[in-house]
Amino acid sequence: EVQLVESGGGLVQPGRSLKLSCAASGFTFSNYGMHWIRQAPTKGLEWVASISPSGGSTYYRDSVKGRFTISRDNAKSTLYLQMDSLRSEDTATYYCAKDPTPWGQGTLVTVSS
Amino acid sequence: DVVLTQTPVSLLISLGGQASISCRSSQSLVHSNGNTYLHWYLQKPGQSPQLLIYQVSNRFSGIPDRFSGSGSGTDFTLKISRVEPEDLGVYYCLQRTHNPPWTFGGGTKLELK
Repeated sequence: EVQLVESGGGLVQPGRSLKLSCAASGFTFSNYGMHWIRQAPTKGLEWVASISPSGGSTYYRDSVKGRFTISRDNAKSTLYLQMDSLRSEDTATYYCAKDPTPWGQGTLVTVSS
Repeated sequence: DVVLTQTPVSLLISLGGQASISCRSSQSLVHSNGNTYLHWYLQKPGQSPQLLIYQVSNRFSGIPDRFSGSGSGTDFTLKISRVEPEDLGVYYCLQRTHNPPWTFGGGTKLELK
């Protein structure tokens, strides 16, 4: 069974950092581009970042460029999202996703003082 | 960036009834390879989004034939016939023809009348 399990969310103060992880299983992780999508409380879905199968290409939405870094460890079948200089508007549930499915269950990031 | 406009924002449907959701794109979603990467997802309460339909009209594994997708170019429709309680939640269209970024529709909440 293909499965994605996120971890690393929590409460963090504005300006601080947090690193999310997504453990993949049930498929050949190194063959697929992977993605982070977020959902602010009671809001819709918003793409955050993507990474190519090798990790050589990365893409970000404008509002996180220069603050977030997507990466992957194909040997560990794990996707990461390093989030620096966090803002209150980054508060959301963060999902990792394999295109077009599945998505993980999400991990909640709350940025607040 | 591509803008997806989903209508209606909410739907009140009786059990056994039919629902129709529209997703209109600000530009054609036909990829240069001839495919159209327009997908439909359902997010049930407290869950992550699940794939229903991929590439306009292909039902994902395990999705009942009560769900059907159609459309081309810039206009797409998801239809749900014989609505059941398990169909309730928020429906999203997603385009990844022109990416990055992925873009999502604003969502349609399906509720029981």
